[in-house]
Amino acid sequence: EEQLVESGGGLVKPGGSLRLSCAASGFTFSNAWMSWVRQAPGKGLKWVGRIKSKPAGGTTDYIEPVKGRFTISRDDTKNTLYLEMNSLKAEDTAMYYCTTVFLGHYEGNWGQGTLVTVSS
Amino acid sequence: QSALTQPASVSGSPGQSITISCTGTSSDVGAYNYVSWYQQHPGKAPKLIIYDVSGRPSGVSNRFSGSKSGNTASLTISGLQAEDEADYYCNSYTNTNTFYVFGTGTKVTVL
Repeated sequence: EEQLVESGGGLVKPGGSLRLSCAASGFTFSNAWMSWVRQAPGKGLKWVGRIKSKPAGGTTDYIEPVKGRFTISRDDTKNTLYLEMNSLKAEDTAMYYCTTVFLGHYEGNWGQGTLVTVSS
Repeated sequence: QSALTQPASVSGSPGQSITISCTGTSSDVGAYNYVSWYQQHPGKAPKLIIYDVSGRPSGVSNRFSGSKSGNTASLTISGLQAEDEADYYCNSYTNTNTFYVFGTGTKVTVL
């Protein structure tokens, strides 16, 4: 059974940094494209970015508001996805979900999420 | 890139059918068949229930169906059940630098 478990969330001051992790199991992680989706408290879903598998080029894509501040990476030897977040802003406060990418365009399987709060 | 437009709430009685609309533009819903729908129960992670406009992942009830006409996609839930009470979000690929845009979300209430 595919399983994704996020960790690393917490309270951070504006301008600070945080690294989220997503431990994957139950599937061949190295072949999977992976995404991050966030949801501000009481708000809707927003796609943050994705990383393709290394066989597919391993490239990353991001939405404009996080480009240059967030970095998605992967360690296929540890079956782990990362989201490095720098220069955090209050508007980055959200539950962050990692997902598998299904058929190239869809968030197939989701983790339980990890909450990031940016506040002084 | 603005979010796709969904009604804030839709309600129905058990056994009835309801339809949720998702209105986009010619840059997203109208341009591609990469439209999906997600169900989210309170405090839980979302779940993919429709992909490719009308495809259903394995294990998803056939009471959920999707369609698209022009810039508007729709999700229909037939034979409404108490367990269908949740938030529903549409999503579409977009040819802007947003890549994928979600809808504003619809709260479904089973009366």
